[in-house]
Amino acid sequence: EPEVTQTPSHQVTQMGQEVILRCVPISNHLYFYWYRQILGQKVEFLVSFYNNEISEKSEIFDDQFSVERPDGSNFTLKIRSTKLEDSAMYFCASGSLRAGGNEQFFGPGTRLTVL
Amino acid sequence: AQTVTQSQPEMSVQEAETVTLSCTYDTSESDYYLFWYKQPPSRQMILVIRQEAYKQQNATENRFSVNFQKAAKSFSLKISDSQLGDAAMYFCAYRGYNNNDMRFGAGTRLTVKP
Repeated sequence: EPEVTQTPSHQVTQMGQEVILRCVPISNHLYFYWYRQILGQKVEFLVSFYNNEISEKSEIFDDQFSVERPDGSNFTLKIRSTKLEDSAMYFCASGSLRAGGNEQFFGPGTRLTVL
Repeated sequence: AQTVTQSQPEMSVQEAETVTLSCTYDTSESDYYLFWYKQPPSRQMILVIRQEAYKQQNATENRFSVNFQKAAKSFSLKISDSQLGDAAMYFCAYRGYNNNDMRFGAGTRLTVKP
């Protein structure tokens, strides 16, 4: 069964460093998403991406964040200058055109630790 | 703004028994989708069940069923014949018909006792 994959599973970085979190969505999906979950808190929407552009973003998704689909298979989230409060689990999700993008399949997450 | 509320931070159930997890939401939209996701200790989010607001019939997936009360804006999850593998965090989520973002509740941690 196809699944969303994410790398790395755990990333440790120093405050102020740039990080890139990688996701490989399910191959025939056209809608892509990033969510984050700070430890012990609810899952929060960051951004959605369709047709090579951001379709929606939350107030969390400020200028420090960017997303890209560099090669038609990967979907990346970049944090330019990490802050301590960026420490969280980051989930990538994808959805199919057939379902209108309504059903989202989540990856296993990347745990980001900012020191 | 749409909000999702799960009023039970923790629930426990005896193996083979039935448990119901509560979820309420607030919205002014008439068309939307509701979901229950399971997050085991591995932290992966797994879709358990979904409900389209325009469907009156409650969704069912094997041992999982929902009680969708649109007027009351309530969307509870019933797990029948609970199994040890059902132990996890359960998140209720809302998504507007024309929106891409999903709003999650704070979660309910379900413990299954053998």
